[in-house]
Amino acid sequence: EAGVAQSPRYKIIEKRQSVAFWCNPISGHATLYWYQQILGQGPKLLIQFQNNGVVDDSQLPKDRFSAERLKGVDSTLKIQPAKLEDSAVYLCASSLVDGPPSDTGELFFGEGSRLTVL
Amino acid sequence: AQTVTQSQPEMSVQEAETVTLSCTYDTSENNYYLFWYKQPPSRQMILVIRQEAYKQQNATENRFSVNFQKAAKSFSLKISDSQLGDTAMYFCAFSHWGLFGNEKLTFGTGTRLTIIP
Repeated sequence: EAGVAQSPRYKIIEKRQSVAFWCNPISGHATLYWYQQILGQGPKLLIQFQNNGVVDDSQLPKDRFSAERLKGVDSTLKIQPAKLEDSAVYLCASSLVDGPPSDTGELFFGEGSRLTVL
Repeated sequence: AQTVTQSQPEMSVQEAETVTLSCTYDTSENNYYLFWYKQPPSRQMILVIRQEAYKQQNATENRFSVNFQKAAKSFSLKISDSQLGDTAMYFCAFSHWGLFGNEKLTFGTGTRLTIIP
C-alpha cells in the first residue's frame, strides 16, 4: 500500500515570496491533516480536512496561509507571503477516521516538506 | 487546554540496554487516547504504541511497552533490548476532541534518543 506522498521535499525561498506544498494521502483515507513542525518542537496542527471540508483551521495563520483539498483527495498548502518564522517542516498526515474517534486514531505521515525562508 | 510535556530533550543508551522515556499530560477529559510516535532521521513519523485511557492494562508491542498512570497523568515508554534502529525522535501525543467536534492530536516537544553501538 502506498504511503502519504508529499512534494517538494525541500524548498528554499526568500521572505515575502510564495510557496506551495502538495500532499496525496493514502487511498480511502477521509481525514487529512497539515502539521507545522518547527525545529525543536512537536508538530502543531494547522488544518484538518474531512473529505473535502475543513473541520479545524483554528491555528492556521489565515492572513498568509491557505489550504484546499479538491475532490476530497489531494491537498495543497500555500504560504504567501512567507516570513522567516515560517521555516519549518510541513507534515501531511491522513487517517481512516471519519466521524467519532476510532479506537486507533492512528495517523499516517508523509516524509514532510522542509521549508527554509531566508 | 490540553498539554503534553516531555521533560527529556535528549537521551542516549548502549545497544541492548533498556531505556524509559517520560511523558506527562494535562487534561480534564476522561476518555482519550495516548500515543508514542517515532520519527527516524529524515524519515516519516510512525506509530509505535497506543493506549486507551479506559483500559487499565498497559499496552505492549514487542520490545515497546508503556507505563500508564492515569491518576498521575503520566505515560512513559519503555524500550527493552534497544537496537540501533531505535535511534530517532520520539513524540508523545494525546488525542482529544477539538472545539469543532473533531479528533485531534496534541504532541509533546519530543525526546531525541540515540542508541550507542
